[in-house]
Amino acid sequence: NAGVTQTPKFRVLKTGQSMTLLCAQDMNHEYMYWYRQDPGMGLRLIHYSVGEGTTAKGEVPDGYNVSRLKKQNFLLGLESAAPSQTSVYFCASSYGRAQYFGPGTRLTVL
Amino acid sequence: KQEVTQIPAALSVPEGENLVLNCSFTDSAIYNLQWFRQDPGKGLTSLLLIQSSQREQTSGRLNASLDKSSGRSTLYIAASQPGDSATYLCAGAGSYQLTFGKGTKLSVIP
Repeated sequence: NAGVTQTPKFRVLKTGQSMTLLCAQDMNHEYMYWYRQDPGMGLRLIHYSVGEGTTAKGEVPDGYNVSRLKKQNFLLGLESAAPSQTSVYFCASSYGRAQYFGPGTRLTVL
Repeated sequence: KQEVTQIPAALSVPEGENLVLNCSFTDSAIYNLQWFRQDPGKGLTSLLLIQSSQREQTSGRLNASLDKSSGRSTLYIAASQPGDSATYLCAGAGSYQLTFGKGTKLSVIP
């Protein structure tokens, strides 16, 4: 039982490049979330999903897209990366109300 | 919009002391309040979750309380140890999402 896993752990992009972050959970949770964590700003919700095939915007969705084609996976895409998207990205999943977090992806956009 | 505040931002105590971390929230209509621990460069580990109908939860040396009427939660750590050094985050749950405080960085000095 791996819990919540994230791929990759680290990534460096140039401005304008695109990439996809993958989150996978093996706990059969319905809800999944993407957060970003920045110094002095805390954790902020980007997008979330309440089930397979559904997604919704969180607090800071601009510049990101998501997809939930399979219940166990939640993908976060950056179509044209900007330096302001340099951050640590966390994925989480939940049943009921307790959320369980992945180890994070550290992204740097140059 | 829910806002969560944690005071102090940092705290340093000698080993063995009992301590209290504070969390306040603006919207009392929360479903639950969750406390997390984050070690440097790591993800979030869930410590305690208090449902809105509960007043407190305990796990080992940790005790968390919730007072919805005053918009406050506290995390009590008994007999602190150097291994307790970490950042502690509280988060209030709305319908689907968590709103995080910015955390209290705890240092326990041997």
